[in-house]
Amino acid sequence: GENVEQHPSTLSVQEGDSAVIKCTYSDSASNYFPWYKQELGKGPQLIIDIRSNVGEKKDQRIAVTLNKTAKHFSLHITETQPEDSAVYFCAASSGSNYQLIWGAGTKLIIKP
Amino acid sequence: DGGITQSPKYLFRKEGQNVTLSCEQNLNHDAMYWYRQDPGQGLRLIYYSQIVNDFQKGDIAEGYSVSREKKESFPLTVTSAQKNPTAFYLCASSIMTLNNEQFFGPGTRLTVL
Repeated sequence: GENVEQHPSTLSVQEGDSAVIKCTYSDSASNYFPWYKQELGKGPQLIIDIRSNVGEKKDQRIAVTLNKTAKHFSLHITETQPEDSAVYFCAASSGSNYQLIWGAGTKLIIKP
Repeated sequence: DGGITQSPKYLFRKEGQNVTLSCEQNLNHDAMYWYRQDPGQGLRLIYYSQIVNDFQKGDIAEGYSVSREKKESFPLTVTSAQKNPTAFYLCASSIMTLNNEQFFGPGTRLTVL
C-alpha cells in the first residue's frame, strides 16, 4: 500500500531563516498532497496543498513543491517566525478511497 | 460557527472500563474519521465512515468500536480490549472530492489510570 516518509523528524532553525521539510511517497497514483500544521494540544490544520498537475504553489511565506518523477514533495517556509513553531505533517492521497496517508511529522523549532 | 467538536478534552479511565469519545460536525460532511496520535508519532487511522450506518476499519481498529447513526455524529468507544489506550484521539471530517481536505476537531486526551 501507499507509504509516506517524512524528514527530518526535528528541525531547528534561527528566526528569520528558511525551513524545508521533505516527504516521499510510494504510490504513483497519488495526486493530492496536503500539508498540515499541528500546534501543541490541538488538532492539525491544513496550511497548503498541491495537486499532481502543478509543480509549485505559494501562499505568502509558505510554498510547496512537487516532483512527480522522483515522487517527493517539500514544504518551504521562508522568514520563519516564532509562531511557526509546531509539528508539520505531510500526507498523500490517490483519491480512490478518500483517505490520506500521513507522514510521521516534523517538529519545527524556531530559535529566537 | 461551522466546525468539529470533540468532548471531553481530557478523559480519565480506570483499566477495564469502556469509554466513549464524542465527535460532532456541522459542516455537512459525508466522511468522518478517527485517528490515534501517540507522543512524537504521526496519525494512525482507527475507523472511518463515508455514509450513515456504514463504517470501515482503519489500520488499528482492534479494541475500538464506532457507530454512525447520524451524519453529524461519529462516536468512538475505547473498549477494555484495547491494550494501551492512553493517547490523543483526533476526529476529522471531509467532503468526498478529489481534494480530500480533512478538518480536525481539537482532540481528546485519554489517560488510563
